[in-house]
Amino acid sequence: SYELTQSLSVSVALGQTARISCGGNNIVSKNVHWYQQKSGQAPVLVIYKDTNRPSGIPERFSGSNSGNTAILTISRAQAGDEADYYCQVWDSSTGGVFGGGTKLTVL
Amino acid sequence: EVQLVESGGGLVQPGGSLRLSCAASGFIFSTYWMHWVRQAPGKGLVWVSRINGDGSITTYADSVKGRFTVSRDTGKNTLYLQMNSLRAEDTAVYYCTRAERYCSGISCRTSEYYFDFWGQGTLVTVSS
Repeated sequence: SYELTQSLSVSVALGQTARISCGGNNIVSKNVHWYQQKSGQAPVLVIYKDTNRPSGIPERFSGSNSGNTAILTISRAQAGDEADYYCQVWDSSTGGVFGGGTKLTVL
Repeated sequence: EVQLVESGGGLVQPGGSLRLSCAASGFIFSTYWMHWVRQAPGKGLVWVSRINGDGSITTYADSVKGRFTVSRDTGKNTLYLQMNSLRAEDTAVYYCTRAERYCSGISCRTSEYYFDFWGQGTLVTVSS
């Protein structure tokens, strides 16, 4: 079954750029989606199909996918961006696959 | 406005059963695949099951196959998850999600999904 690997935590200074990675075997061949989950709340889609932002998601959020790593980039990080972030792909044999999640701390 | 509202969670003993419901509004319910995703306390997201628009196609994660059944009532705009033979490891918040379906690859042989709207979740606790 396909596996996604994320760092447990990432820290970023207020106003700086945060990069959250999601590793998987030849992940570039898959479409990667990203979700933000703030404490005690349901997840929210922030990037779909590698690079697309849903309506209402700030332009500060962007995504990329190359080789074995997909990256969610958050520019000009704000205190309100503190959350857990999950990457997700669809695997035809096992279904939805999520990474383990990365906790973003804004310092 | 899309809304998904889950209900039916609670405390149940190991081996027991529970049925979750998800009331959908703000979109044409019958045209979307719907999925269940769960999250154990302090843990990550785990996909559980999916169902197509008319309820004729369902699939499950191996961990729940044979014990859980997903269904839907398009007349009531409601999604269900019947959970039987519950185990301690089924303890989690269960989220109802609407899925966007898209083609994979140039030949479009398979469909893939991402989850564009989520309910607030309902907590299921399996404990004696």
